Amino acid sequence: SQTIHQWPATLVQPVGSPLSLECTVEGTSNPNLYWYRQAAGRGLQLLFYSVGIGQISSEVPQNLSASRPQDRQFILSSKKLLLSDSGFYLCAWRGPGANTDTQYFGPGTRLTVL
Amino acid sequence: GENVEQHPSTLSVQEGDSAVIKCTYSDSASNYFPWYKQELGKRPQLIIDIRSNVGEKKDQRIAVTLNKTAKHFSLHITETQPEDSAVYFCAASRDTGRRALTFGSGTRLQVQP
Repeated sequence: SQTIHQWPATLVQPVGSPLSLECTVEGTSNPNLYWYRQAAGRGLQLLFYSVGIGQISSEVPQNLSASRPQDRQFILSSKKLLLSDSGFYLCAWRGPGANTDTQYFGPGTRLTVL
Repeated sequence: GENVEQHPSTLSVQEGDSAVIKCTYSDSASNYFPWYKQELGKRPQLIIDIRSNVGEKKDQRIAVTLNKTAKHFSLHITETQPEDSAVYFCAASRDTGRRALTFGSGTRLQVQP
């Protein structure tokens, strides 16, 4: 069965510091991968998606970036964090086929920028 | 792009009553409509979904209806229980392009015992 991991689970970082969040998926090949952010008490905002290794599409212009160095690995990064980057970061995957609509979320990383 | 609106933002019901949450979408090409339940501090969990070739789907106490012409879909929870209390999100996507979900803003459901 498929499993999705995220780490770290929680993170407290000062403004201006770098960021690296990691997401890995097990039990599937060539998944579509997504990064979402959820501000406190709000909905889910799509940040990036990837349909394959090295293929990244950005949905919202910001100081974050994403990379997919391996088929089942998705990384969210920042060179300098802002206070507004605080939130709950969720990685998600879905299968690559035409009838694989269901999207599954990882456990999330709660980021607090001070 | 797709825009999903969700109402109400908060909903309080008595245990045993029914709850209905409604969503509208803008992109007529969207063909997949899931509902997620999110408990405090946890990841969203899929509870039911429907595809555009179906008008209604039911799973025990939960049902979803879809009206493609009007571009709206609804979640129905019957015989609500305190453990149904959570935030519920609707979403929409299409099976081409980015195939990412566009989410509604969420409904906080409180079931009073």
